Amino acid sequence: AQSVTQLDSQVPVFEEAPVELRCNYSSSVSVYLFWYVQYPNQGLQLLLKYLSGSTLVKSINGFEAEFNKSQTSFHLRKPSVHISDTAEYFCAVSPSGTYKYIFGTGTRLKVLA
Amino acid sequence: EPEVTQTPSHQVTQMGQEVILRCVPISNHLYFYWYRQILGQKVEFLVSFYNNEISEKSEIFDDQFSVERPDGSNFTLKIRSTKLEDSAMYFCASSGSGKGGYTFGSGTRLTVV
Repeated sequence: AQSVTQLDSQVPVFEEAPVELRCNYSSSVSVYLFWYVQYPNQGLQLLLKYLSGSTLVKSINGFEAEFNKSQTSFHLRKPSVHISDTAEYFCAVSPSGTYKYIFGTGTRLKVLA
Repeated sequence: EPEVTQTPSHQVTQMGQEVILRCVPISNHLYFYWYRQILGQKVEFLVSFYNNEISEKSEIFDDQFSVERPDGSNFTLKIRSTKLEDSAMYFCASSGSGKGGYTFGSGTRLTVV
C-alpha cells in the first residue's frame, strides 16, 4: 500500500526567510507527485506537480519541489516567503495504474511578520 | 479561470437522513472525483468516475454512498442514512486527463447531528 508522510504539522517562519516543507512517500509502484495549497475556507489548489522529466519543478509564485527517487521524497521549498503564503500545504501521490490521490496529513505554514 | 462549483457550502442533517451533495465540474473535463476531509484528519479518496461509471472506489465508499452524473453537467454524491461519523468536508474534483492534476471545488461541509 502507498502512504505519504508529512512530518511537520506546523512550520512557523519569519517573512522573507526560506522554508522547506518535507514530504516522503512509500510506494511499490511508480508515482506521480503533487503539492496542493489550501487557504482558509477554500478548496485545494494545485501548486505544482511532477509527472516525468526534470526532477525539479517550479510554480509561478516562487515555490519549487524536487523529486528524489532514491530518498522517496518530494520536498517543497521557497527561498523567501511572504505573509500571503500562510496556508496549509498538502503533498499527494498518485500511483501508476490509478487516478486517485493519497494525501499526506498536511503542513500548516505560518509566516510571521 | 474555470472552476469546480459545489453546493451547498454547508449542510446540516439529522442522523439517518439522506443527503445529496452537488458539484458542477469544469465543462470539458472527463474525470470526476469525490474526497472527504474529517476535521483534523487527512484528505481521503472516496470515488472516481469516468465515462459514466465508477472507475475506482475506496473502502469508505460502501453501499451507503452513490454517485451520479444525471444531466451531463452535474456530478452528485448521495449519502443514504447518514451517520455522525459522516460529518466532514466533502470535496469534488475534476480533471481533463486524469493524471495532470485535479481542480478541486471549495467543498461542502456536512454536519450530521
